[in-house]
Amino acid sequence: QSVLTQPPSASGTPGQRVTISCSGSSSNIASNTVNWYQQLPGTAPKLLIYRNNQRPSGVPDQFSGSKSGTSASLAISGLQSEDEADYYCATWDDSLNGVVFGGGTKLTVL
Amino acid sequence: QLQLQESGPGLVKPSETLSLTCSVSGGSISSSSYYWGWIRQPPGKGLEWIGNIYYSGSTYYNPSLKSRVTISVDTSKNQFSLKLSSVTAADTAVYYCTEGLAARQDYWGQGTLVTVSS
Repeated sequence: QSVLTQPPSASGTPGQRVTISCSGSSSNIASNTVNWYQQLPGTAPKLLIYRNNQRPSGVPDQFSGSKSGTSASLAISGLQSEDEADYYCATWDDSLNGVVFGGGTKLTVL
Repeated sequence: QLQLQESGPGLVKPSETLSLTCSVSGGSISSSSYYWGWIRQPPGKGLEWIGNIYYSGSTYYNPSLKSRVTISVDTSKNQFSLKLSSVTAADTAVYYCTEGLAARQDYWGQGTLVTVSS
């Protein structure tokens, strides 16, 4: 059971906007920044969003992140078939004194 | 652009020590700009942070693995390594070496599958 809770699956049609949630607690999301990773099939994860809403160089602006209280969200607009992947949220947990990940959300483009 | 590459045995026997090395190119492992780390992913499952090390030797470990984990740096070879002792089948996973600190890992190796089996 992951410390951070994500829906196991999400889906959308090409061009649509989808949102993936990440729920935590006062010891993790509420007091630390959230990062998001994209893992395409058979590949290593890639940093997609850091510090809640910052995009690394090269990540298109169709990806955006937000945080409020004990929850965070990843939004993907203009959905494309190549966005089909697993998405993970991650942050530091002050109580566990370590990094915690969400269980991952498998995004399907219909 | 940093590039990371894991290497090590793909099969380890139960109760033995898993040892992996990460070779770094495109940057110096002794640079004060970088933190080095390991993350693993059991087959078909999610990601688990193992730990990080700074070039100075400061380490940060997952509390659930801390008693079995050692991460170290070899500046002469521009490499860092992971040792995980007393392994069981639950340690079977793809192991990734990374650059970054804590929950933000900017660069990842391609990953290497380590299976624990007799």
